[in-house]
Amino acid sequence: SQTIHQWPATLVQPVGSPLSLECTVEGTSNPNLYWYRQAAGRGLQLLFYSVGIGQISSEVPQNLSASRPQDRQFILSSKKLLLSDSGFYLCAWSVRGELFFGEGSRLTVL
Amino acid sequence: KQEVTQIPAALSVPEGENLVLNCSFTDSAIYNLQWFRQDPGKGLTSLLLIQSSQREQTSGRLNASLDKSSGRSTLYIAASQPGDSATYLCAVRADSSYKLIFGSGTRLLVRP
Repeated sequence: SQTIHQWPATLVQPVGSPLSLECTVEGTSNPNLYWYRQAAGRGLQLLFYSVGIGQISSEVPQNLSASRPQDRQFILSSKKLLLSDSGFYLCAWSVRGELFFGEGSRLTVL
Repeated sequence: KQEVTQIPAALSVPEGENLVLNCSFTDSAIYNLQWFRQDPGKGLTSLLLIQSSQREQTSGRLNASLDKSSGRSTLYIAASQPGDSATYLCAVRADSSYKLIFGSGTRLLVRP
């Protein structure tokens, strides 16, 4: 069966520090991969999606970036975090139209 | 531009009640619609997926219906239990798109 792993689960970072959140999917090949952010009172916002290695589409201009170095690995990064980057980050994958989420990473920027 | 709305935003019911959660969308040209459950501080769990050609899907005590022409979906929960307490979100996928558009969710509390 397919599983998705996302880490770290919780992160507290100072403003201006870098960020790296990682997500891996097991049990499937060539999935579509997504990064969402869920901020308090704002619902789920799609940040990036990828249909293959090295193929990244950005939905929202911001200081975040994403990379897909391997088929089942998706990384969310930032060189310098802002206070507004705080939130709950969710990695997701889809095959045949159904979306599955990881457990999320809670980021607090101080 | 597709917009998804969920009403009510919050719902509190006594245990054992049958209940209906509503989801509406503005553009009927959808590929599919998916219902999720989210527990506090957790990721989203997929409950039901309805393809655009389908009218409903069932899983245990859950039944989801889809009426594309009216832009509506409902999630029916039978014999609610305290363990059903969570936020329920619906999301639609537009034709030829990898993106899902989410509603803001209905926060459900089932009281013992």
